[in-house]
Amino acid sequence: EAEVAQSPRYKITEKSQAVAFWCDPISGHATLYWYRQILGQGPELLVQFQDESVVDDSQLPKDRFSAERLKGVDSTLKIQPAELGDSAMYLCASRGDPGAYEQYFGPGTRLTVT
Amino acid sequence: GNSVTQMEGPVTLSEEAFLTINCTYTATGYPSLFWYVQYPGEGLQLLLKATKADDKGSNKGFEATYRKETTSFHLEKGSVQVSDSAVYFCALYEIGNQFYFGTGTSLTVIP
Repeated sequence: EAEVAQSPRYKITEKSQAVAFWCDPISGHATLYWYRQILGQGPELLVQFQDESVVDDSQLPKDRFSAERLKGVDSTLKIQPAELGDSAMYLCASRGDPGAYEQYFGPGTRLTVT
Repeated sequence: GNSVTQMEGPVTLSEEAFLTINCTYTATGYPSLFWYVQYPGEGLQLLLKATKADDKGSNKGFEATYRKETTSFHLEKGSVQVSDSAVYFCALYEIGNQFYFGTGTSLTVIP
């Protein structure tokens, strides 16, 4: 069964350092999402891609966060500099054709900023 | 705007007990509704969905009915098992919009 891959699974970094997360969606899925999930809360959308284009990044803190999906396949989310409040689970999800409702989540990257 | 409200947890039940987790929503149009489950340290997995009013989604003994008149999508299971212990998220999606998730309800089932 195809899955969304994410790495690393866990990351500990010091504040003010840079950190990057990688996501490889299910093959053929054009839509890719990055979510942030703070402990005890539901996922909140950071950025949505359709192929290589950003569709929605209205909730991405652009002063420190950036995301790219250069070839419309895998994607990288970067934080620079990291702050203590960035500690959270970062989830990637992908969705198939526009008529499909389901999105499929990866296992997430647990970020701890010290 | 769109939003999802779930009953707050945590919920603790004995094995074979009946489960209800309440979910209500606010939407500007005609959303699709979902329940996702998250096991410790893992991402979210789709549990069931309903795409229009009066649809019933079901999977692994869980059910939820899309009630437009009460804007609800309550999750139910007749007999829970220890393996059902997880966090459950209600979510909605409208075409051309984004997914909105509730805050999650933690369920613990004790033997």
